[in-house]
Amino acid sequence: AQSVTQPDIHITVSEGASLELRCNYSYGATPYLFWYVQSPGQGLQLLLKYFSGDTLVQGIKGFEAEFKRSQSSFNLRKPSVHWSDAAEYFCAIDTGRRALTFGSGTRLQVQP
Amino acid sequence: DAGVTQSPTHLIKTRGQQVTLRCSPKSGHDTVSWYQQALGQGPQFIFQYYEEEERQRGNFPDRFSGHQYPNYSSELNVNALLLGDSALYLCASSSRTSGGVREFFGPGTRLTVL
Repeated sequence: AQSVTQPDIHITVSEGASLELRCNYSYGATPYLFWYVQSPGQGLQLLLKYFSGDTLVQGIKGFEAEFKRSQSSFNLRKPSVHWSDAAEYFCAIDTGRRALTFGSGTRLQVQP
Repeated sequence: DAGVTQSPTHLIKTRGQQVTLRCSPKSGHDTVSWYQQALGQGPQFIFQYYEEEERQRGNFPDRFSGHQYPNYSSELNVNALLLGDSALYLCASSSRTSGGVREFFGPGTRLTVL
């Protein structure tokens, strides 16, 4: 069965600093890959997705992610974090079943 | 466009009771999926409905059932509630005619089982 691992439960960065959130997946082929963000009391908002092609994907709010097949990773990055980026971030995959498998999430805190 | 809407926002039930949660998909979407998000966890896929039939199902017991109506709206029913069913239930909609998965999530229904 497929799985998604987000090794960092909680990350704290200073406002203006760069950010990288890690995501690794386990699956026998290349799945569809996603990053979602969830603010307190809110549903999930799609930040970006990878289906095929260029392995560097641009998303909303200045986020980007890089797919590395050799490492089964899909790490999320942002060059300069804003206080409004504080939220929970989820990596997810779809193996073609049209159903998402999520990681357990990384909570981002932003220090002023 | 109202996006995906869910009702109610919050719900409190006691063990053994039954609950029904409702979801209206985003305009133009014909597929509805339900997810359970326990506190501190990522969402887990429950099942998916398309053309009024359950098409995919995750690892959830038969106490969890659903329905999709001709207007694509959907219900999630949970029978014989357990304390462990306390969670945020998320509805997501998508369109079968678009390639890949482009799911839009609703704000969720917070279920508390006492």
